[in-house]
Amino acid sequence: DIVMTQSPDSLAVSLGERATINCKSSRSVLYSSNNKNYLAWYQQKPGQPPKLLIYWASTRESGVPDRFSGSGSGTDFTLTITGLQAEDVAVYYCQQYYGTPQTFGQGTKLEVK
Amino acid sequence: QVQLVQSGAEVKKPGASVKVSCKASGYTFTDSYIHWVRQAPGQGLEWMGWINPNSSNTNYAQKFQGRVTMTRDTSISTAYMELSRLRSDDTAVYYCARDPTPAISIDFLDFWGQGSLITVSS
Repeated sequence: DIVMTQSPDSLAVSLGERATINCKSSRSVLYSSNNKNYLAWYQQKPGQPPKLLIYWASTRESGVPDRFSGSGSGTDFTLTITGLQAEDVAVYYCQQYYGTPQTFGQGTKLEVK
Repeated sequence: QVQLVQSGAEVKKPGASVKVSCKASGYTFTDSYIHWVRQAPGQGLEWMGWINPNSSNTNYAQKFQGRVTMTRDTSISTAYMELSRLRSDDTAVYYCARDPTPAISIDFLDFWGQGSLITVSS
């Protein structure tokens, strides 16, 4: 199984500042034939299901604010929230869909400082 | 608009079985795989498997092989996940989620059900 490891486990950022969450996979999730990274990011607020934010490592889902961006390739990925807003407080998960079983990172809890 | 509406919370005794439903609307049910993901209290997300609503083919995570059965009823656009021989560590919120790309089984998940809390307790 591909192991996804996120860092940090939690972070506190001031409103309006930048939040950066990292995700590392135990094997590359870059498919060479189409040059796509099989990596997604989700946001989960308390009592709610996960919400898709980013797929193919950097493609923003429709309706997701452009302060959310994804980057990286191969085994190292980053979710960046630029200009943190109060409603961004949540747990964020990365997921690889390169291989079965699909696996998620352990989550990163984002709070306001 | 796409919606996945799941059945309600249940309390089960150890050794029993539970069957969770997931009713889809707003898209063609047979076009997209349905995945099941669970989340134990305060924990992360764990993928359980998928079902192809068109063919009824399934693929289960090895951890759940022999205990999980995923089925569907296309006449009512509903997928089901049944977990047997329940243990206390099966206590979790169980989610169904849609794979948006037709005929692709391994994918990101764009719409999720609201979740069904299954509590296993004697």
